[in-house]
Amino acid sequence: NAGVTQTPKFRILKIGQSMTLQCTQDMNHNYMYWYRQDPGMGLKLIYYSVGAGITDKGEVPNGYNVSRSTTEDFPLRLELAAPSQTSVYFCASKAGGPYGYTFGSGTRLTVV
Amino acid sequence: GESVGLHLPTLSVQEGDNSIINCAYSNSASDYFIWYKQESGKGPQFIIDIRSNMDKRQGQRVTVLLNKTVKHLSLQIAATQPGDSAVYFCAENTPNYGGSQGNLIFGKGTKLSVKP
Repeated sequence: NAGVTQTPKFRILKIGQSMTLQCTQDMNHNYMYWYRQDPGMGLKLIYYSVGAGITDKGEVPNGYNVSRSTTEDFPLRLELAAPSQTSVYFCASKAGGPYGYTFGSGTRLTVV
Repeated sequence: GESVGLHLPTLSVQEGDNSIINCAYSNSASDYFIWYKQESGKGPQFIIDIRSNMDKRQGQRVTVLLNKTVKHLSLQIAATQPGDSAVYFCAENTPNYGGSQGNLIFGKGTKLSVKP
């Protein structure tokens, strides 16, 4: 049982490049989340999904897209990377209700 | 708007002392609160949680206190150890924030440093 797995762990992008941050969980959780964490700050919700085929915007969705074709996977897409997207990105999942969030170890992204 | 904030951005304590980390929240409708520990380069780790119908919950060396009257949450760590050094975040589950199940809103975090 690996929990929530994020790849890559580190990435440097040039302005305007695109990339996909991968997130997969093996706990059969319905709910999945993407957060970003800027230096010295708490986590802010980018997008979330309540089940396969369903996604919705969080607090800071601009510049990102997501998809949820399977229960296990919840990739986050950056189409035109900007320096403001330099951050650490965390994926999380939970089974249901407000309890039992499990976080991945994060992806550190730098846009130069 | 709603926010979760922390009174002290940094806290330095002596090994063996008790630590108290505070958190203020502004959404009176929040129904569930969690404390997370985040070590450098890692994701948040669950420490302890409390539902809004409780005012105290104890775990192993940790206690969370909830004062709904003043919208205040605290984390107490007994006999603080060097391994407790990390950033601690409180988070509130706010119903209807991002869907009917609610979602977590995180505070900025408090860095706890334990001196040997």
